[in-house]
Amino acid sequence: GAGVSQSPSNKVTEKGKDVELRCDPISGHTALYWYRQSLGQGLEFLIYFQGNSAPDKSGLPSDRFSAERTGGSVSTLTIQRTQQEDSAVYLCASSLAGRTSGSPTDTQYFGPGTRLTVL
Amino acid sequence: AQKVTQAQTEISVVEKEDVTLDCVYETRDTTYYLFWYKQPPSGELVFLIRRNSFDEQNEISGRYSWNFQKSTSSFNFTITASQVVDSAVYFCALDILTGGGNKLTFGTGTQLKVEL
Repeated sequence: GAGVSQSPSNKVTEKGKDVELRCDPISGHTALYWYRQSLGQGLEFLIYFQGNSAPDKSGLPSDRFSAERTGGSVSTLTIQRTQQEDSAVYLCASSLAGRTSGSPTDTQYFGPGTRLTVL
Repeated sequence: AQKVTQAQTEISVVEKEDVTLDCVYETRDTTYYLFWYKQPPSGELVFLIRRNSFDEQNEISGRYSWNFQKSTSSFNFTITASQVVDSAVYFCALDILTGGGNKLTFGTGTQLKVEL
C-alpha cells in the first residue's frame, strides 16, 4: 500500500512566478490536509479537504494561496506571484475520513513534502 | 486557542541512554487527541501514537513509552536504550473536536541526537 506521495520533491522558482504543488493521498482516504513547515513558523496548518470541498481554509496565509481537489483524490496547492517568505517545505497528509464537529478524529499520515525555494 | 509547547529544542544523548521528550499542551476543550510524530532526516513525518483525552493509561511500544497526565497537561515521550536510528526531530501535536475539520496544532519540535 502506497503512502502519501507529493511532487515535485524540490522546486526552485523565481520571485513572482506561480508554482503548483501536487499531493496524491493514500487510496481510500477521503480527507486531505496541507501544512507548511518553515524555520520561523514551525508546522502550520493551511487547508483541509473533505472529499472535494474545503470546509477549513483558515490557514491559507494570503489570497495568493489556493488549493483544489478533484475526484476526491489528488490535490494541487497553487501559490501565485511567489515571494521569498513562501520558501518552506509544504507537507500533505491524508486520513481515512474527515470529521464533523464532535466525532472522533482520524490519524493523519504525511507525505515526504515539497521543498520550495523562492529566489 | 490551542497551544503545544516542546521546551526542549535539542537533546543529545549517548547510545543506550534513556531520554524523555517533554510536551505540554493548552486547550479549553475537554475532548481532544494528542499525537507524537517523528521526522527523520528524510523529512517525512512518521506517525507514532495517538491518545484521546479520556484515556490516561500509559502506553508502551517496544522501546517507546508515553506518559499522559491530564493534571499537568503533559504528554511526555520516553525512548529507552536509545539508538542512533532514533536521531530525528520529534513533534507533539494536538487536535480538538470542536469546530469542523481536523487541524493539528504542532509544537516546535525537539531535535534528538543519539551518538555512539
